[in-house]
Amino acid sequence: DAGITQSPRHKVTETGTPVTLRCHQTENHRYMYWYRQDPGHGLRLIHYSYGVKDTDKGEVSDGYSVSRSKTEDFLLTLESATSSQTSVYFCAISESGQGDQPQHFGDGTRLSIL
Amino acid sequence: AQKITQTQPGMFVQEKEAVTLDCTYDTSDQSYGLFWYKQPSSGEMIFLIYQGSYDEQNATEGRYSLNFQKARKSANLVISASQLGDSAMYFCAMRLNRGSTLGRLYFGRGTQLTVWP
Repeated sequence: DAGITQSPRHKVTETGTPVTLRCHQTENHRYMYWYRQDPGHGLRLIHYSYGVKDTDKGEVSDGYSVSRSKTEDFLLTLESATSSQTSVYFCAISESGQGDQPQHFGDGTRLSIL
Repeated sequence: AQKITQTQPGMFVQEKEAVTLDCTYDTSDQSYGLFWYKQPSSGEMIFLIYQGSYDEQNATEGRYSLNFQKARKSANLVISASQLGDSAMYFCAMRLNRGSTLGRLYFGRGTQLTVWP
């Protein structure tokens, strides 16, 4: 199994509070991704990173920011959480951005915003 | 814009039978890859199989095979000899081999497969 650890695994918090989710990998892969999964929507890309300090926005990036100060860590921050950000969040890593190398996923973080 | 369509929200199959999960995709790129993932009720995402747009043969991995019809832009997953443990949500995804997209995956909405005894 790919060495990907997401923390926390579960979190309940209140509207307006900041929340940071962590993704840690031990594979030394260059590419890292944050997705959210909601019923009826599949997985949608929030942000991704192609190297230390190199990040870009995905299709649902509003209300989220990311940072990658080390190869192994990719942080997702909700600056002021809203109920619409209640979701399951997945981190994924990939050795390459092309070809047959799949993305490998962490076990997910279930986030509830009350 | 890239799009993945999975038209079957739910599928049912009897144990030991084969089942096909549909996936169609839309892209104007010529070089891309198609992936299938399995998500059991425990929630993790498990990579199953990959097909490249230039691959001439359909991909196979054990009981999984991919029925790739490039002209129709379809990449259906075939599971042979279904097992109870195959009950899960299945996602089709596409990745463009274009540097600017940096390996991101475009996902369909998924098909919930239930295998009954």
